[in-house]
Amino acid sequence: GAVVSQHPSRVICKSGTSVKIECRSLDFQATTMFWYRQFPKQSLMLMATSNEGSKATYEQGVEKDKFLINHASLTLSTLTVTSAHPEDSSFYICSASNSRDWYEQYFGPGTRLTVT
Amino acid sequence: GQNIDQPTEMTATEGAIVQINCTYQTSGFNGLFWYQQHAGEAPTFLSYNVLDGLEEKGRFSSFLSRSKGYSYLLLKELQMKDSASYLCAPMDSNYQLIWGAGTKLIIKP
Repeated sequence: GAVVSQHPSRVICKSGTSVKIECRSLDFQATTMFWYRQFPKQSLMLMATSNEGSKATYEQGVEKDKFLINHASLTLSTLTVTSAHPEDSSFYICSASNSRDWYEQYFGPGTRLTVT
Repeated sequence: GQNIDQPTEMTATEGAIVQINCTYQTSGFNGLFWYQQHAGEAPTFLSYNVLDGLEEKGRFSSFLSRSKGYSYLLLKELQMKDSASYLCAPMDSNYQLIWGAGTKLIIKP
């Protein structure tokens, strides 16, 4: 149990376009979802935390108008990178937790974004 | 501030034992997680310690000393597939995980 999927696994887009990444909890209700970004050989950086039905809470330095997060249901959250630039190229990972094991985050497989 | 200190890289031999140490400083403490992350993949959960002492789970064990701000992950009977990065992640008073860069473990035959 506790499986989280992400789609797509890899995406290449042109500079200036927008990309949507989906994160789904397949067998549990994710009351909270987290979005991370990880550059090569660096630590995971939390971008934002979202609770179902509420606006996401963004970490300092993360532009909420550039990284749009929607957590419309208990099984789906989306991250849209708007007007992507090459510096946005990174590994984007979502995680989810449920109300019972609230302290444990179940990670999705990640999405490799390359902006050309 | 909040920070994590782990060795950047360690090397061990297949079949041996390795201990990966982690010291941390956080604003409050709500337990400490260890995750395994293979290159190009997302982290996978290994262990969670909230009380002092040793938690054993198969070939992996994790130890915590809250007073010392110290934890270690012990891996026994190392296998080649254990080559990965190991992330120590304490949870602060806001229940937020604090991530370091992790320890890259290289297993040699």
